Amino acid sequence: GAVVSQHPSWVICKSGTSVKIECRSLDFQATTMFWYRQFPKQSLMLMATSNEGSKATYEQGVEKDKFLINHASLTLSTLTVTSAHPEDSSFYICSASRGGITEAFFGQGTRLTVV
Amino acid sequence: AQSVTQLGSHVSVSEGALVLLRCNYSSSVPPYLFWYVQYPNQGLQLLLKYTSAATLVKGINGFEAEFKKSETSFHLTKPSAHMSDAAEYFCAVSGGTGGFKTIFGAGTRLFVKA
Repeated sequence: GAVVSQHPSWVICKSGTSVKIECRSLDFQATTMFWYRQFPKQSLMLMATSNEGSKATYEQGVEKDKFLINHASLTLSTLTVTSAHPEDSSFYICSASRGGITEAFFGQGTRLTVV
Repeated sequence: AQSVTQLGSHVSVSEGALVLLRCNYSSSVPPYLFWYVQYPNQGLQLLLKYTSAATLVKGINGFEAEFKKSETSFHLTKPSAHMSDAAEYFCAVSGGTGGFKTIFGAGTRLFVKA
Protein backbone atom coordinates (compact mmCIF):
# COMPACT_ATOMS: atom_id res chain seq x y z
CA GLY A 1 0.00 0.00 0.00
CA ALA A 2 0.82 3.71 0.17
CA VAL A 3 1.57 4.24 -3.48
CA VAL A 4 2.02 7.70 -4.94
CA SER A 5 2.08 8.11 -8.69
CA GLN A 6 3.29 11.07 -10.71
CA HIS A 7 2.45 11.81 -14.30
CA PRO A 8 4.16 12.36 -16.60
CA SER A 9 7.53 10.82 -15.78
CA TRP A 10 9.22 13.20 -18.14
CA VAL A 11 8.09 16.11 -20.27
CA ILE A 12 9.72 18.46 -22.75
CA CYS A 13 8.05 21.78 -23.43
CA LYS A 14 8.81 24.94 -25.29
CA SER A 15 9.82 28.09 -23.49
CA GLY A 16 6.79 30.22 -22.66
CA THR A 17 4.31 27.38 -22.44
CA SER A 18 2.77 25.90 -19.30
CA VAL A 19 3.04 22.32 -18.14
CA LYS A 20 0.99 20.43 -15.57
CA ILE A 21 2.30 17.63 -13.39
CA GLU A 22 -0.09 15.34 -11.54
CA CYS A 23 0.49 13.61 -8.22
CA ARG A 24 -1.96 10.91 -7.16
CA SER A 25 -2.22 8.81 -4.05
CA LEU A 26 -3.47 5.52 -5.39
CA ASP A 27 -4.49 3.63 -2.28
CA PHE A 28 -4.97 6.18 0.47
CA GLN A 29 -6.47 9.58 1.00
CA ALA A 30 -3.78 12.22 1.25
CA THR A 31 -4.76 15.12 3.43
CA THR A 32 -1.42 16.79 2.73
CA MET A 33 0.80 16.77 -0.32
CA PHE A 34 4.22 18.28 -0.77
CA TRP A 35 6.10 19.38 -3.87
CA TYR A 36 9.87 19.30 -4.14
CA ARG A 37 12.37 20.40 -6.75
CA GLN A 38 15.74 18.81 -7.34
CA PHE A 39 18.46 20.34 -9.50
CA PRO A 40 21.16 18.04 -10.92
CA LYS A 41 23.49 16.70 -8.26
CA GLN A 42 21.65 18.59 -5.54
CA SER A 43 19.24 17.77 -2.76
CA LEU A 44 15.48 18.03 -2.74
CA MET A 45 14.16 21.46 -1.89
CA LEU A 46 10.63 21.80 -0.59
CA MET A 47 8.60 24.14 -2.76
CA ALA A 48 5.17 24.05 -1.18
CA THR A 49 2.73 22.21 1.05
CA SER A 50 -0.85 21.71 -0.02
CA ASN A 51 -3.82 20.61 2.02
CA GLU A 52 -6.96 19.35 0.37
CA GLY A 53 -9.36 22.18 -0.28
CA SER A 54 -6.98 24.90 0.89
CA LYS A 55 -4.50 27.20 -0.74
CA ALA A 56 -0.96 25.90 -0.87
CA THR A 57 1.69 27.21 1.49
CA TYR A 58 4.82 28.13 -0.41
CA GLU A 59 8.35 28.11 0.94
CA GLN A 60 10.29 31.33 0.97
CA GLY A 61 11.63 32.23 -2.42
CA VAL A 62 9.20 30.11 -4.42
CA GLU A 63 7.06 32.13 -6.86
CA LYS A 64 3.46 31.17 -6.22
CA ASP A 65 2.30 32.72 -9.48
CA LYS A 66 4.77 30.66 -11.43
CA PHE A 67 4.23 27.36 -9.67
CA LEU A 68 0.49 26.90 -9.30
CA ILE A 69 -0.56 24.13 -6.97
CA ASN A 70 -4.05 22.72 -6.75
CA HIS A 71 -5.15 20.05 -4.29
CA ALA A 72 -8.76 19.63 -5.28
CA SER A 73 -9.32 16.15 -3.94
CA LEU A 74 -7.87 13.80 -1.33
CA THR A 75 -6.10 11.80 -4.01
CA LEU A 76 -4.87 14.40 -6.48
CA SER A 77 -2.60 17.41 -6.40
CA THR A 78 -1.31 19.20 -9.46
CA LEU A 79 1.67 21.46 -10.04
CA THR A 80 1.49 23.76 -13.03
CA VAL A 81 4.64 25.49 -14.16
CA THR A 82 3.43 28.59 -15.95
CA SER A 83 5.34 30.35 -18.73
CA ALA A 84 8.16 27.89 -18.36
CA HIS A 85 11.73 28.93 -19.05
CA PRO A 86 14.89 26.85 -19.40
CA GLU A 87 15.87 27.64 -15.81
CA ASP A 88 12.71 25.82 -14.67
CA SER A 89 14.14 22.59 -16.05
CA SER A 90 14.47 20.29 -13.09
CA PHE A 91 13.30 17.10 -11.42
CA TYR A 92 10.01 17.63 -9.59
CA ILE A 93 8.92 15.17 -6.90
CA CYS A 94 5.73 15.05 -4.89
CA SER A 95 4.94 13.31 -1.64
CA ALA A 96 1.71 12.60 0.19
CA SER A 97 0.76 11.95 3.78
CA ARG A 98 -2.25 11.54 5.97
CA GLY A 99 -2.99 11.43 9.65
CA GLY A 100 -2.12 8.28 11.51
CA ILE A 101 0.92 7.37 9.45
CA THR A 102 4.49 8.20 10.26
CA GLU A 103 5.91 9.18 6.92
CA ALA A 104 5.16 10.82 3.62
CA PHE A 105 5.23 8.67 0.51
CA PHE A 106 7.04 9.88 -2.57
CA GLY A 107 6.16 9.74 -6.22
CA GLN A 108 8.72 8.66 -8.79
CA GLY A 109 9.37 12.19 -9.96
CA THR A 110 8.90 14.14 -13.17
CA ARG A 111 11.82 15.31 -15.29
CA LEU A 112 10.93 18.66 -16.87
CA THR A 113 13.04 20.01 -19.71
CA VAL A 114 12.22 23.43 -21.13
CA VAL A 115 13.72 24.15 -24.54
CA ALA B 1 12.60 24.49 12.65
CA GLN B 2 14.15 21.24 11.57
CA SER B 3 17.36 20.63 9.67
CA VAL B 4 19.68 17.85 8.67
CA THR B 5 23.43 17.91 8.12
CA GLN B 6 25.14 15.16 6.22
CA LEU B 7 28.86 15.05 6.79
CA GLY B 8 30.75 14.38 3.59
CA SER B 9 29.32 15.00 0.17
CA HIS B 10 31.27 12.04 -1.17
CA VAL B 11 32.27 8.77 0.47
CA SER B 12 34.35 6.11 -1.23
CA VAL B 13 34.73 2.56 0.04
CA SER B 14 36.06 -0.69 -1.33
CA GLU B 15 33.70 -3.52 -2.12
CA GLY B 16 33.23 -5.57 1.05
CA ALA B 17 34.23 -2.74 3.37
CA LEU B 18 32.09 -1.05 6.00
CA VAL B 19 29.83 1.74 4.82
CA LEU B 20 29.28 4.66 7.22
CA LEU B 21 27.28 7.69 6.14
CA ARG B 22 26.90 10.39 8.76
CA CYS B 23 23.81 12.40 9.56
CA ASN B 24 23.09 14.88 12.33
CA TYR B 25 19.73 16.48 12.85
CA SER B 26 18.25 19.46 14.58
CA SER B 27 14.65 19.44 15.75
CA SER B 28 12.71 21.19 18.48
CA VAL B 29 10.27 18.27 18.66
CA PRO B 30 10.80 14.51 18.69
CA PRO B 31 11.82 13.80 15.14
CA TYR B 32 11.03 11.16 12.63
CA LEU B 33 14.22 10.34 10.72
CA PHE B 34 14.68 8.67 7.38
CA TRP B 35 17.33 7.49 4.99
CA TYR B 36 16.54 7.43 1.29
CA VAL B 37 18.60 6.20 -1.65
CA GLN B 38 18.42 7.66 -5.14
CA TYR B 39 19.91 6.02 -8.20
CA PRO B 40 20.69 8.20 -11.25
CA ASN B 41 17.61 9.59 -12.97
CA GLN B 42 15.29 7.82 -10.57
CA GLY B 43 13.05 8.73 -7.66
CA LEU B 44 13.61 8.10 -3.98
CA GLN B 45 13.60 4.71 -2.31
CA LEU B 46 13.11 4.50 1.44
CA LEU B 47 15.90 2.53 3.12
CA LEU B 48 14.72 2.82 6.71
CA LYS B 49 12.98 5.09 9.16
CA TYR B 50 13.03 5.93 12.86
CA THR B 51 9.68 6.79 14.39
CA SER B 52 10.37 6.74 18.15
CA ALA B 53 10.34 2.97 18.56
CA ALA B 54 13.60 0.99 18.67
CA THR B 55 16.69 3.18 18.40
CA LEU B 56 18.48 0.67 16.16
CA VAL B 57 16.60 0.50 12.92
CA LYS B 58 17.14 -2.15 10.29
CA GLY B 59 16.30 -1.41 6.71
CA ILE B 60 16.44 -2.94 3.29
CA ASN B 61 19.56 -4.18 1.50
CA GLY B 62 21.44 -4.80 4.75
CA PHE B 63 21.47 -1.18 5.89
CA GLU B 64 20.82 -0.08 9.45
CA ALA B 65 20.93 3.15 11.43
CA GLU B 66 21.06 4.04 15.09
CA PHE B 67 19.21 6.97 16.59
CA LYS B 68 21.33 8.66 19.25
CA LYS B 69 19.45 11.46 20.91
CA SER B 70 22.43 12.60 23.01
CA GLU B 71 24.47 13.07 19.84
CA THR B 72 21.53 14.16 17.65
CA SER B 73 22.78 11.64 15.13
CA PHE B 74 21.29 9.04 12.82
CA HIS B 75 24.24 7.50 10.99
CA LEU B 76 23.69 4.89 8.30
CA THR B 77 25.83 1.76 8.19
CA LYS B 78 26.22 -1.42 6.20
CA PRO B 79 28.78 -4.05 7.18
CA SER B 80 29.87 -4.95 3.67
CA ALA B 81 29.53 -2.70 0.64
CA HIS B 82 28.38 -4.04 -2.69
CA MET B 83 28.91 -2.46 -6.06
CA SER B 84 25.16 -2.00 -6.38
CA ASP B 85 25.18 0.28 -3.31
CA ALA B 86 26.78 3.07 -5.33
CA ALA B 87 24.18 5.84 -5.32
CA GLU B 88 23.15 9.10 -3.67
CA TYR B 89 21.94 8.83 -0.08
CA PHE B 90 19.75 11.38 1.64
CA CYS B 91 19.08 11.71 5.34
CA ALA B 92 15.78 13.42 6.13
CA VAL B 93 13.76 14.62 9.10
CA SER B 94 10.07 15.30 9.60
CA GLY B 95 7.56 15.73 12.36
CA GLY B 96 6.17 18.41 14.62
CA THR B 97 3.82 21.12 13.48
CA GLY B 98 4.96 20.75 9.89
CA GLY B 99 3.21 17.43 9.69
CA PHE B 100 5.18 15.18 7.44
CA LYS B 101 6.93 17.95 5.62
CA THR B 102 10.23 16.22 5.02
CA ILE B 103 13.44 18.19 5.15
CA PHE B 104 16.39 16.65 3.34
CA GLY B 105 20.09 16.82 3.91
CA ALA B 106 22.41 17.76 1.07
CA GLY B 107 23.07 14.16 0.21
CA THR B 108 26.13 11.89 0.19
CA ARG B 109 27.35 10.22 -2.96
CA LEU B 110 28.63 6.74 -2.20
CA PHE B 111 31.29 5.29 -4.50
CA VAL B 112 32.16 1.61 -4.28
CA LYS B 113 35.51 0.49 -5.66
CA ALA B 114 36.10 -2.99 -6.95
